[in-house]
Amino acid sequence: SYVLTQPPSVSVAPGETAKITCGGNNIGSKSVHWYQQRPGQAPVLVIYFDSDRPSGIPERFSGSNSGNTATLTISRVEAGDEADFYCQVWDTSSDPRGIIFGGGTKLTVL
Amino acid sequence: QITLRESGPTLVRPTQTLTLTCTFSGFSLSTAGVGVAWIRQPPGKALEWLAFIYWDDDKRYSPSLKSRLTITKDTSKNQVVLTMTNMDPADTATYFCSHRGPEGHTSFDYWGQGTLVTVSS
Repeated sequence: SYVLTQPPSVSVAPGETAKITCGGNNIGSKSVHWYQQRPGQAPVLVIYFDSDRPSGIPERFSGSNSGNTATLTISRVEAGDEADFYCQVWDTSSDPRGIIFGGGTKLTVL
Repeated sequence: QITLRESGPTLVRPTQTLTLTCTFSGFSLSTAGVGVAWIRQPPGKALEWLAFIYWDDDKRYSPSLKSRLTITKDTSKNQVVLTMTNMDPADTATYFCSHRGPEGHTSFDYWGQGTLVTVSS
């Protein structure tokens, strides 16, 4: 089955840029979505179809996807960005098929 | 405005069957392209997809849990129901239901607040 690999944690100082990666075999051929989850809350979609932002999500959030790595980039990081981030694909090519989440990355704002 | 709300027992005994209900508003599960998923999250752990139901009643299940899961919909009540048999303490988790984005989308744009289910004797 398809596996998505994320680093357990990423730390960044306020105002700097955070990059959270999501690795998968030829993930560049799939659509990747990203969710932000603050403690005790439900996930919130922040990026869909690799790089599109839902309404209400700041332009500081951007995404890219190529080869074996998808990346969520958060520019000018703020304290309020601290959360867990998950990547997700809907795999229709491998066996078995299904909706797959990465293991999550905890973003710490120093 | 789309909203979803999960409901069900907070405590389940081992070997029992769990039944959770997702009650939603702002969309209809009889509209082409619409779908609802169940996703869970054990305490301190990652999200795990469980099941998905399409507007046309097509269903998908997590391969690792397929034998224990059933997802159904009641379009007239705007509800999606998930049953999970033979519950185990390892199934202790917050269970979320979520709305798939517009037709053709493969992301989940609206989520319920989740319901914590504890499996313990």
